[in-house]
Amino acid sequence: DAEITQSPRHKITETGRQVTLACHQTWNHNNMFWYRQDLGHGLRLIHYSYGVQDTNKGEVSDGYSVSRSNTEDLPLTLESAASSQTSVYFCASSGEREFSTDTQYFGPGTRLTVL
Amino acid sequence: AQKVTQAQTEISVVEKEDVTLDCVYETRDTTYYLFWYKQPPSGELVFLIRRNSFDEQNEISGRYSWNFQKSTSSFNFTITASQVVDSAVYFCALSDTGNQFYFGTGTSLTVIP
Repeated sequence: DAEITQSPRHKITETGRQVTLACHQTWNHNNMFWYRQDLGHGLRLIHYSYGVQDTNKGEVSDGYSVSRSNTEDLPLTLESAASSQTSVYFCASSGEREFSTDTQYFGPGTRLTVL
Repeated sequence: AQKVTQAQTEISVVEKEDVTLDCVYETRDTTYYLFWYKQPPSGELVFLIRRNSFDEQNEISGRYSWNFQKSTSSFNFTITASQVVDSAVYFCALSDTGNQFYFGTGTSLTVIP
């Protein structure tokens, strides 16, 4: 069955370290998204991609970067982790067509703690 | 600007009661899509429903029903005869022609046995 996975599921790191969260989908979806979830804020968009080599900034992109070298993966990198980036991170994917407004399907989430 | 408001932060009901979760949205687009997701205590986000702006017909799926009213910019979600397994955080979301999702802040539902 097609799915979307995230790794690691839990991560503890120290302030200033570089951290990469992995997202892998086997839906053959063109569109992939990264969100963070914080109490009182719901889900906020960090970065998104509509296809290979395409990346775009979302609402809360400062301190984060992504790259899309293939259809299946969209890794999220925290260049220099800060305590304010302690959060739960969700990856999502949608649509076999570019720029579609198809339903987004979410991965299980990664709980990141920055000490 | 696009915005989704879920004014109810927390709701508690006794098992078997009906409960309605409110969702109000703002968009200038005439074509848009509305969604509901469920986040149970285990943490994953589960897709429940997708509606487009041209289809105001109400939807029923088992104990779940959705009422879409463009006149009031609302897309409310009703659970009939609630069960303990319905306890979760529920998110309403809007997707417009910009292809991004805008989520509300969620409503935490607790069903008391």
